[in-house]
Amino acid sequence: RKEVEQDPGPFNVPEGATVAFNCTYSNSASQSFFWYRQDCRKEPKLLMSVYSSGNEDGRFTAQLNRASQYISLLIRDSKLSDSATYLCVVTSNTGNQFYFGTGTSLTVIP
Amino acid sequence: EAGVTQFPSHSVIEKGQTVTLRCDPISGHDNLYWYRRVMGKEIKFLLHFVKESKQDESGMPNNRFLAERTGGTYSTLKVQPAELEDSGVYFCASSHRRTDSPYEQYFGPGTRLTVT
Repeated sequence: RKEVEQDPGPFNVPEGATVAFNCTYSNSASQSFFWYRQDCRKEPKLLMSVYSSGNEDGRFTAQLNRASQYISLLIRDSKLSDSATYLCVVTSNTGNQFYFGTGTSLTVIP
Repeated sequence: EAGVTQFPSHSVIEKGQTVTLRCDPISGHDNLYWYRRVMGKEIKFLLHFVKESKQDESGMPNNRFLAERTGGTYSTLKVQPAELEDSGVYFCASSHRRTDSPYEQYFGPGTRLTVT
């Protein structure tokens, strides 16, 4: 069983739409949770950390449900520049080893 | 502040040859990680250094892979001899343990390795 499961998409949405991504993880002792963004042939870049209380950064909202081992990312008012692959990342028990999902592809259409 | 850098950006070698990848972490970051993405798969952990010491090398696929971080600054990952299945993108990441965000890792641009 994979450590992190993500719907690969692709998600094709019009500008201004709201889109939600989800992922589940298998290790209940995971320490930290993140969403990374990866543009084509580029490195993963940290989008935001995910906390149980939920956190928001502008148009982006992330949520963690430890009981269900489920992480979500909501993007409101989608922009063309949001087109990328979004990677769900969960750490090991120690917090040092990252486990990546396969990524969810988003294309925002004009 | 300069980010994580990796060299080379691309490498094409023949099966059986040796390749050495280099990673320079963000200055002051004690933690350095190597990851690999093979085609169609997720990014996978290879190993973790804290300064010059190997903290966790559980992800290293076999003994053809050797990672070093002499002096606790830059790191090298050597593949010898390379096999076809070693093709992929090798990412390096670094982090600095802080109380507010202890586990965030910052990634380099990757080295795309092709073994023919």
